[in-house]
Amino acid sequence: GAVVSQHPSRVICKSGTSVKIECRSLDFQATTMFWYRQFPKQSLMLMATSNEGSKATYEQGVEKDKFLINHASLTLSTLTVTSAHPEDSSFYICSARDQEVLHEQFFGPGTRLTVL
Amino acid sequence: SQKIEQNSEALNIQEGKTATLTCNYTNYSPAYLQWYRQDPGRGPVFLLLIRENEKEKRKERLKVTFDTTLKQSLFHITASQPADSATYLCALSNTNAGKSTFGDGTTLTVKP
Repeated sequence: GAVVSQHPSRVICKSGTSVKIECRSLDFQATTMFWYRQFPKQSLMLMATSNEGSKATYEQGVEKDKFLINHASLTLSTLTVTSAHPEDSSFYICSARDQEVLHEQFFGPGTRLTVL
Repeated sequence: SQKIEQNSEALNIQEGKTATLTCNYTNYSPAYLQWYRQDPGRGPVFLLLIRENEKEKRKERLKVTFDTTLKQSLFHITASQPADSATYLCALSNTNAGKSTFGDGTTLTVKP
């Protein structure tokens, strides 16, 4: 089956620093990737849709200058949390759509970000 | 605004019984409805997709129904096992390649 990896799985950083999270589709090409954040016992909140070779589409209320998304290839998208603050602490999950199987989303294992 | 409600935050059942989870939606006409399983600290895993013109879909011990009149989907796990304990999310989308909107999930606990 389609596999999506995320790196790192956990990161702890100081307030004010930037953190980059990588999302890779390992055995398929993903023209579209999605970035979500999830708070404890809550559902996935879509942050942005990332399309290879074009600018990401951000959901209402998500600051594009704070959450930088780059989708440079069909197998890699990155999310950079700039000038992180404690309120950015969350579980960040990416998903990818296989261009051959469009109706399924394959999720990465998630990245736990803790900002001190 | 679009709203998705999953019947209860938590559901506890005895091993061997059938678990039934509900997903209701309002202000939405989805073309596709998906169910995912999520374990603690992990990303969701795709289970089943059902289209608006399909009434029912089965996969092993799983069964999903989709009633566009009631705006409801039911997700059944028959002969439940403790290993089925997890949070189950329903998600709606309008197109194949479009984004999905997720419900808050129902946490199922199957007791031996």
